Amino acid sequence: AQKVTQAQTEISVVEKEDVTLDCVYETRDTTYYLFWYKQPPSGELVFLIRRNSFDEQNEISGRYSWNFQKSTSSFNFTITASQVVDSAVYFCALSEDGNNRLAFGKGNQVVVIP
Amino acid sequence: NAGVTQTPKFRVLKTGQSMTLLCAQDMNHEYMYWYRQDPGMGLRLIHYSVGEGTTAKGEVPDGYNVSRLKKQNFLLGLESAAPSQTSVYFCASSLTGTGSYEQYFGPGTRLTVT
Repeated sequence: AQKVTQAQTEISVVEKEDVTLDCVYETRDTTYYLFWYKQPPSGELVFLIRRNSFDEQNEISGRYSWNFQKSTSSFNFTITASQVVDSAVYFCALSEDGNNRLAFGKGNQVVVIP
Repeated sequence: NAGVTQTPKFRVLKTGQSMTLLCAQDMNHEYMYWYRQDPGMGLRLIHYSVGEGTTAKGEVPDGYNVSRLKKQNFLLGLESAAPSQTSVYFCASSLTGTGSYEQYFGPGTRLTVT
């Protein structure tokens, strides 16, 4: 069974600070996919990034970066120089190869204080 | 493209009443999903469909039925609503279901059962 844990519930930062969100996952598959979604106060879910289990290269996209470590089953997400518009709930999600289901963590509420 | 749309946006039901939520996508996606989101629970999969005319149970299917008569539409039905079904319902679609493709979400339907 696939499982995703986001231990931090609410994180408050002052604008321009960096914020890192932790995600730990469980799966028995060797091929799987990890995602981060953002849910702003308006309520919609916005896809941010995807990572394949066979590619551990960490990347940066604008102010977003992610750190994927298979050895610790972690897929952490960092927002650099946070802005008020980053205030949202962020969900980590896991999908196993051949499995149509996304397993979501419970989310991290990020509050950026101006 | 409108992406994924959901009808209605809000609904209040009395216990025992029935209703149908409509999801439509214009991206020619094969896979469609229904999730519910409850406070502190993240998103949980109710039912999903891997193609026109097919449906399958997700994590929390009890009390719900679905139909996919047309590729672009996925309907979620509540035959006899209960207060435990008060939630925000999200529909999503993806190109395929191998796990590698991100899911695109609709804006959500907020349902209250009194």
